[in-house]
Amino acid sequence: KAGVTQTPRYLIKTRGQQVTLSCSPISGHRSVSWYQQTPGQGLQFLFEYFSETQRNKGNFPGRFSGRQFSNSRSEMNVSTLELGDSALYLCASSTGDSQIQETQYFGPGTRLLVL
Amino acid sequence: AQKITQTQPGMFVQEKEAVTLDCTYDTSDPSYGLFWYKQPSSGEMIFLIYQGSYDQQNATEGRYSLNFQKARKSANLVISASQLGDSAMYFCAMREVKTDKLIFGTGTRLQVFP
Repeated sequence: KAGVTQTPRYLIKTRGQQVTLSCSPISGHRSVSWYQQTPGQGLQFLFEYFSETQRNKGNFPGRFSGRQFSNSRSEMNVSTLELGDSALYLCASSTGDSQIQETQYFGPGTRLLVL
Repeated sequence: AQKITQTQPGMFVQEKEAVTLDCTYDTSDPSYGLFWYKQPSSGEMIFLIYQGSYDQQNATEGRYSLNFQKARKSANLVISASQLGDSAMYFCAMREVKTDKLIFGTGTRLQVFP
């Protein structure tokens, strides 16, 4: 079974621009979660999508948004980029059963650099 | 508030030796799950092992085992017979039933030397 894929793998943008990242989950998985990883803040939860609806969200400004399509693929958008948005963005997929033991499987991440 | 603490920023271990990576957590929810992930320099997070709060036995997965001490709220990862390929960042994470979010610790960088 193919793993979680993320595109693009690397991205360079300038302040004020917007960016869209894509995530394709493992086949059969209906939940996609997004995380931001920075040296200073560590791994932080952005949001989770399940069946095309945002089911959970972290404490990020409204510049960070996402969506999920009917095939469970998800996109994350960051508008008006700031230097502090430079990070590794990780996507994780899971079955979406919301069982406590539900395991999230991560993609390779997208490294975003904002200049 | 939900919190995961990993107090060891870095650990060194010789190949073929065992190593313990510490993780303590804080939660008021009686139902929660604990996870360990490995992150090589490539960036991808690799799931290693899971322990549920109601599990009576410590979880094991191959060379990985979880030393779960519920009363002390600790969930230490034990890697037996370390290999050079085990060199990576290791993250402890927890999910509570009530928040349903996976919260990560700050990680421990493990370096295995020959």
